[in-house]
Amino acid sequence: AQSVTQLDSQVPVFEEAPVELRCNYSSSVSVYLFWYVQYPNQGLQLLLKYLSGSTLVKGINGFEAEFNKSQTSFHLRKPSVHISDTAEYFCAVSSGGSNYKLTFGKGTLLTVNP
Amino acid sequence: DGGITQSPKYLFRKEGQNVTLSCEQNLNHDAMYWYRQDPGQGLRLIYYSQIVNDFQKGDIAEGYSVSREKKESFPLTVTSAQKNPTAFYLCASSINGRGHEQFFGPGTRLTVL
Repeated sequence: AQSVTQLDSQVPVFEEAPVELRCNYSSSVSVYLFWYVQYPNQGLQLLLKYLSGSTLVKGINGFEAEFNKSQTSFHLRKPSVHISDTAEYFCAVSSGGSNYKLTFGKGTLLTVNP
Repeated sequence: DGGITQSPKYLFRKEGQNVTLSCEQNLNHDAMYWYRQDPGQGLRLIYYSQIVNDFQKGDIAEGYSVSREKKESFPLTVTSAQKNPTAFYLCASSINGRGHEQFFGPGTRLTVL
């Protein structure tokens, strides 16, 4: 069975500060990892994904994430946030098999203050 | 533009009534999914379908039903057996295969009065 833990339910930061949103996963097999963003009352939009290869993955809007297999982590980072980055962020894992299901974390609400 | 549409955006129903939520995609994706989202709970999988005329229960299927008669459509019925139906419902689709991301619709907020 696979699971995802997002270690912080809320992260408040000031504009132009760096931010890290933490995600740990558990799975008995190799995994594919995703970060999604959700703005209020909207669907989810893919930020980035790790499938294989380089452990540093770059996504949209200046976000990046690093896959760390030994620590089973996939933390999301941005060096300088904007007010418009205020949203909820979800980490998700897929460990394959025959159904390609995603298991989502409970989300981290990022609030960027002026 | 290709994408996923869900209608309506907001839906109100009286307790004890069945209600059907629409989900349509024109991405030519084989797989489709329904999730329920509650505050602080993340997304929980209700049902999914990997191919037309076939679907499987997810983690919280009780009180819900689906059909997949056409590749582009995957309607969800919330029945009167669902004890706490008020929630935000999200539909998604993906290419059938490992590593492919899911694309999400804008969601339907269901309120049962």
